[in-house]
Amino acid sequence: QKEVEQDPGPLSVPEGAIVSLNCTYSNSAFQYFMWYRQYSRKGPELLMYTYSSGNKEDGRFTAQVDKSSKYISLFIRDSQPSDSATYLCAMSYDNTDKLIFGTGTRLQVFP
Amino acid sequence: DGGITQSPKYLFRKEGQNVTLSCEQNLNHDAMYWYRQDPGQGLRLIYYSQIVNDFQKGDIAEGYSVSREKKESFPLTVTSAQKNPTAFYLCASSIVSSPDTQYFGPGTRLTVL
Repeated sequence: QKEVEQDPGPLSVPEGAIVSLNCTYSNSAFQYFMWYRQYSRKGPELLMYTYSSGNKEDGRFTAQVDKSSKYISLFIRDSQPSDSATYLCAMSYDNTDKLIFGTGTRLQVFP
Repeated sequence: DGGITQSPKYLFRKEGQNVTLSCEQNLNHDAMYWYRQDPGQGLRLIYYSQIVNDFQKGDIAEGYSVSREKKESFPLTVTSAQKNPTAFYLCASSIVSSPDTQYFGPGTRLTVL
């Protein structure tokens, strides 16, 4: 079993839809949770960063962490074609250099 | 304009050849990382360095080598010992106190012919 599981998609939605992207993980020691967005043939860019449980909102994006279920989510409201990308979840333990990445979910938002 | 640059963008190599991928950052970050990205496998850590003249192996270091002679630079050499080198290679950097907040370069796509 992989430490971090993420559905590869593709997830195809119409413009304006609410998108839900998810990751599950097996190690309860993870404390830091990140979402990266990666456009085709580009490097990932950090989108959201959350420590421990709870929600964090930034514009149209909301990151949610449920440590009891070992489940994290990224919600995108009013999705735009420019949101079409691969979304990678990542997580880490306390005081470590190592990020554990999910495989990424490819999102397509069509006009 | 701060950031991370990687060169070349595309690289072709014949089997049995060593190649070196360049990574430079002007973010004044102490920590730098190399990842490999393959379809369906996410990012896997090859090597990382927290300080000049020091580096550690990641999860898949076999067949790779690095050096860290300058804070700004962290080149990766893909040696002929790497059995499946065709992949997308990503360099990242962070401040040492926040290794979970990494900034990535644009990547180098290496293809072995």
